[in-house]
Amino acid sequence: QVQLQQSGPGLVKPSQTLSLTCAISGDSVSSNSAAWNWIRQSPSRGLEWLGRTYYRSKWYYDYAVSVKSRVTVNPDTSKNQFSLQLNSVTPEDTAVYYCARDLSGGTGRYATFDIWGQGTMVTVSS
Amino acid sequence: DIVMTQSPDSLAVSLGERATINCKSSQSVLYSSNNKNYLAWFQQKPGQPPKLLIYWASTRESGVPDRFSGSGSGTDFTLTISSLQAEDVAVYYCQQYDSPPLTFGGGTRVEIK
Repeated sequence: QVQLQQSGPGLVKPSQTLSLTCAISGDSVSSNSAAWNWIRQSPSRGLEWLGRTYYRSKWYYDYAVSVKSRVTVNPDTSKNQFSLQLNSVTPEDTAVYYCARDLSGGTGRYATFDIWGQGTMVTVSS
Repeated sequence: DIVMTQSPDSLAVSLGERATINCKSSQSVLYSSNNKNYLAWFQQKPGQPPKLLIYWASTRESGVPDRFSGSGSGTDFTLTISSLQAEDVAVYYCQQYDSPPLTFGGGTRVEIK
């Protein structure tokens, strides 16, 4: 079955870059039917979708406006994984970060999240 | 952004009784071209990621017990647990995937009375 395994540091200093990786098993980051998302959860902001990447003959990227200037989601086909980079972090970025799959296919529309990673608690603090 | 508002914030239900959670979206999530509501429900237990229960407002995900059901259309939706079991204690979230940014409700905590 499809599994997502997250990795990355749990502590990041303010103004630095948060970097997380999500390794995919049982599916392909280059799948024509899936998209690969990052979502975070904090007590103050709840569940917040950050962005996604997907492949439909070429790579596409969607980002939430709230973080668009600071966020990058990148695929790594050689390792069948994808990553999140969030620049210039502040304590407000402290949250549990999740990767997740959606099966949006080639419809041009969105889909919900059927498979989730285990979550990574990231604290932004000096 | 589409704002998702859930009610109540929490509820306590006796074992075997019905639990009902409401979710209202600030604009319709019904896509007229395919007549589908882009609305999902998740269950989250402590220390775990959210688990998909319902999509298209009323379609149960594979393996989800049939005591969970979803209903509604347009802007008003309901998740019903027909006979609450001890393992259903959790926080439940609705989520719209009609238009970006994809947004979630604030959650409803379900406990045993």
